[in-house]
Amino acid sequence: RKEVEQDPGPFNVPEGATVAFNCTYSNSASQSFFWYRQDCRKEPKLLMSVYSSGNEDGRFTAQLNRASQYISLLIRDSKLSDSATYLCVVNKNNFNKFYFGSGTKLNVKP
Amino acid sequence: GAVVSQHPSRVICKSGTSVKIECRSLDFQATTMFWYRQFPKQSLMLMATSNEGSKATYEQGVEKDKFLINHASLTLSTLTVTSAHPEDSSFYICSARGDSVNTEAFFGQGTRLTVV
Repeated sequence: RKEVEQDPGPFNVPEGATVAFNCTYSNSASQSFFWYRQDCRKEPKLLMSVYSSGNEDGRFTAQLNRASQYISLLIRDSKLSDSATYLCVVNKNNFNKFYFGSGTKLNVKP
Repeated sequence: GAVVSQHPSRVICKSGTSVKIECRSLDFQATTMFWYRQFPKQSLMLMATSNEGSKATYEQGVEKDKFLINHASLTLSTLTVTSAHPEDSSFYICSARGDSVNTEAFFGQGTRLTVV
């Protein structure tokens, strides 16, 4: 079983739509969680960390559900510039490793 | 955010030759560096984790004698692809993190390797 699993998409949404991605992780010892964004042929960049209490940054909201072992990302009022692949990342601090999901592709259409 | 510089960004080499990729943390001490490989339309796959001054830990299925990793200082790690073959053609990317728990990793720009 993969460490981190995501729906690859693509999610095709119109501008202004709200879209949500989920990501599940297999190891309950996982301690840190992040969402990264990767544009085509570029390196991933941190979008936001995911805290147990949930956190919001502008149009983006991240949630963590430890009991069900998933994290989510909600994007409100989608912009064309949000089109990218969103990577769920899980860190097992004891082993000091970052594991990536396969990414969910988002296409925001005019 | 912190800056990680990876060099070269693109390299084309002949089959059988070796290629070295450098990863530098420019404004922080990278206790741990990670090397990933990404094939087209696929996920980033962790190849190995290296801590400064110690041997790298390789993921299952990654040949340590083929992908040599050196992390001699807190700001530099290198990945050498030895005796490269066309199937090694891929996007290689490094990331680095500092000492604090729960901090994110910062990524280099990636190296697109083409073996002909």
